[in-house]
Amino acid sequence: KAGVTQTPRYLIKTRGQQVTLSCSPISGHRSVSWYQQTPGQGLQFLFEYFSETQRNKGNFPGRFSGRQFSNSRSEMNVSTLELGDSALYLCASSPLAGGDNEQFFGPGTRLTVL
Amino acid sequence: AQSVTQLDSQVPVFEEAPVELRCNYSSSVSVYLFWYVQYPNQGLQLLLKYLSGSTLVKGINGFEAEFNKSQTSFHLRKPSVHISDTAEYFCAVILITGNQFYFGTGTSLTVIP
Repeated sequence: KAGVTQTPRYLIKTRGQQVTLSCSPISGHRSVSWYQQTPGQGLQFLFEYFSETQRNKGNFPGRFSGRQFSNSRSEMNVSTLELGDSALYLCASSPLAGGDNEQFFGPGTRLTVL
Repeated sequence: AQSVTQLDSQVPVFEEAPVELRCNYSSSVSVYLFWYVQYPNQGLQLLLKYLSGSTLVKGINGFEAEFNKSQTSFHLRKPSVHISDTAEYFCAVILITGNQFYFGTGTSLTVIP
């Protein structure tokens, strides 16, 4: 099986712009979670989708949003980019919801905001 | 609220020496425990996890971890490290009823030849 894929791998934007990141989970996986990784804050949970529904959301401003499609692919959107949004954004998928399901991480999208 | 503390941000160790990476957690409810490894420019890869049963868990690449409920710890160990073990290691917990990881800040393991 192919692993979790994320596109694009690298992205450069300027302040005020918006960006959309994409995540394709492992085939058959229905849960997709997003994380932001920065040197200062470490890995922080953004949100989780299961069967097209957002089940859980982290402590991020409303500029961060996401969605999941019927084929389980997910996108996250960040509007009005700020310098502090520069980070590695990781997507993880698992077969079902629930903590005992292993989450498989993609390679991430590195976003740089200038 | 849940939190994870990795006590050492950087751990240098000589090749073939043993290593222990420490992890303590705080949670008012039951959690599952995980260790992930991240190589440069890559995503996270699962090393091992504790769900229930034996408190000594064996993972990939010769790593093992021991769950200590009374000390709320889940330290990662390897008896003999290799150059290829140089990476960032993350401890994480997840509620048994949830799907949100709480990660530690990571430990950078550097293996010195």
